[in-house]
Amino acid sequence: DIQMTQSPSSLSASVGDRVTITCRASQGISNYLAWFQQKPGKAPRSLIYIASSLQSGVPSKFSGSGSGTDFTLTISSLQPEDFATYYCQQYNSYPHTFGGGTKVEIK
Amino acid sequence: EVQLVQSGAEVKKPGESLKISCKGSGYSFTSYWIGWVRQMPGKGLEWMGIIYPGDSDIRYSPSFQGQVTISADKSISTAYLQWSSLKASDTAMYYCARHTTIVPGKMVEDYWGQGTLVTVSS
Repeated sequence: DIQMTQSPSSLSASVGDRVTITCRASQGISNYLAWFQQKPGKAPRSLIYIASSLQSGVPSKFSGSGSGTDFTLTISSLQPEDFATYYCQQYNSYPHTFGGGTKVEIK
Repeated sequence: EVQLVQSGAEVKKPGESLKISCKGSGYSFTSYWIGWVRQMPGKGLEWMGIIYPGDSDIRYSPSFQGQVTISADKSISTAYLQWSSLKASDTAMYYCARHTTIVPGKMVEDYWGQGTLVTVSS
C-alpha cells in the first residue's frame, strides 16, 4: 500500500492567516491526489482532485499543488468556517489511501 | 442535485449480521463507482472498497477483503455494505461516496453520504 504522510498533524492559526498543509506519498502517484475537509460530526467534503483542480462549488481560497510524491494544500485567508480537519488521499493505485489528517484550530 | 442517502444508525451485538445502504439520486447510478469509507471513533478516514453498479465490478482494500461485502442493486440505485459476523472493532461511522472517473482506472470521491453509525456492543 502507498503510505500518505501529512504534516503538521495539527496547527493553530488566526482568521486571515495563510495556511499550508503538506502531504507526502511513499512512492510516486503522478497527480492523482485529492484533498477533503471534515468538520466535527459531519461527512467529509471533497475539495480538490488531480492535485490542483477545485471540485464544483469550492471557493478559490483553496488551492493545491504538487506532483509525484510531494503535495500541498493552501488556504489563502483562513475564515471561521475553514476550521476543520483536512485529509489528503492518493487514488493512483489500489487500495486508495488517506493521510492521517491535519486539524486546523483557532489560535 | 446529486444525493447519497444512507440508512440509519444501528446498534448490534457481536456475532450478528448487518447490511447498511446508500441510495443514490440525481445522476445515472450505473455510470459512477460508489465506495465505502470507515471512520473509527476519533480516528481518520480508511478506504474500504468500491463497486461499479453498472457491472458489479468491485475493488476491495486488502485490509477489508473477507471482512465485509460490498454490493449494489442498480434497479433501486442502492449500494450496500454488509457484515456476516460483527465484532466490537467494527464500531465506527461508515460513509458512502460517489466516485467520478478522471481517466480510466483513476476514480476519486466527489459526493458523500451523511454517514451511518454502527455500534457493536454486548
